[in-house]
Amino acid sequence: DADVTQTPRNRITKTGKRIMLECSQTKGHDRMYWYRQDPGLGLRLIYYSFDVKDINKGEISDGYSVSRQAQAKFSLSLESAIPNQTALYFCATSDLGTSGSYEQFFGPGTRLTVL
Amino acid sequence: GEDVEQSLFLSVREGDSSVINCTYTDSSSTYLYWYKQEPGAGLQLLTYIFSNMDMKQDQRLTVLLNKKDKHLSLRIADTQTGDSAIYFCAEMSYQGGKLIFGQGTELSVKP
Repeated sequence: DADVTQTPRNRITKTGKRIMLECSQTKGHDRMYWYRQDPGLGLRLIYYSFDVKDINKGEISDGYSVSRQAQAKFSLSLESAIPNQTALYFCATSDLGTSGSYEQFFGPGTRLTVL
Repeated sequence: GEDVEQSLFLSVREGDSSVINCTYTDSSSTYLYWYKQEPGAGLQLLTYIFSNMDMKQDQRLTVLLNKKDKHLSLRIADTQTGDSAIYFCAEMSYQGGKLIFGQGTELSVKP
């Protein structure tokens, strides 16, 4: 079973709709992240959470919100989707680990298309 | 602010060595990473290097770090068609826990 799962894997929606992307992890990590990937721009951080009571904005948080329902669950919402939010969205988790490197583990991604 | 730069494309012949380069701006970076993304998949950590190291070797992979020039490279020896993917360089900010990614280098390996 995958350690970091994302649902849905693909979603097509219309401008103005509210969308929620969900992420679950079985790794027991405290830290969770949401990124979006656009061609030629790499991954950009939307929001991150270092524990259940901690939520922080990343570099591109406008138009997005998040909820950390439990250690294992971190959901991303688009309150009113717009076409330039069409992208590939990744959830990731991390913990200190034995090397102290905070290696991040990624989910398989959600491809979102906003028409 | 923090920034990580990579060239977007690299094409090599099967059996040759590939060298993917990355530059970064944050001199206080603690760890630097290389991630691989295969088509339709998420990112997978290939290797990382701690900022007090100059080189790290892991089988076909060699990472070189030049802290003075803030330059990181990934060398893949005997490149295979299965190495075709997008490779991302990332640095961990001094505050810890946040990664700054480069744009990704798409490696194409031709038979």
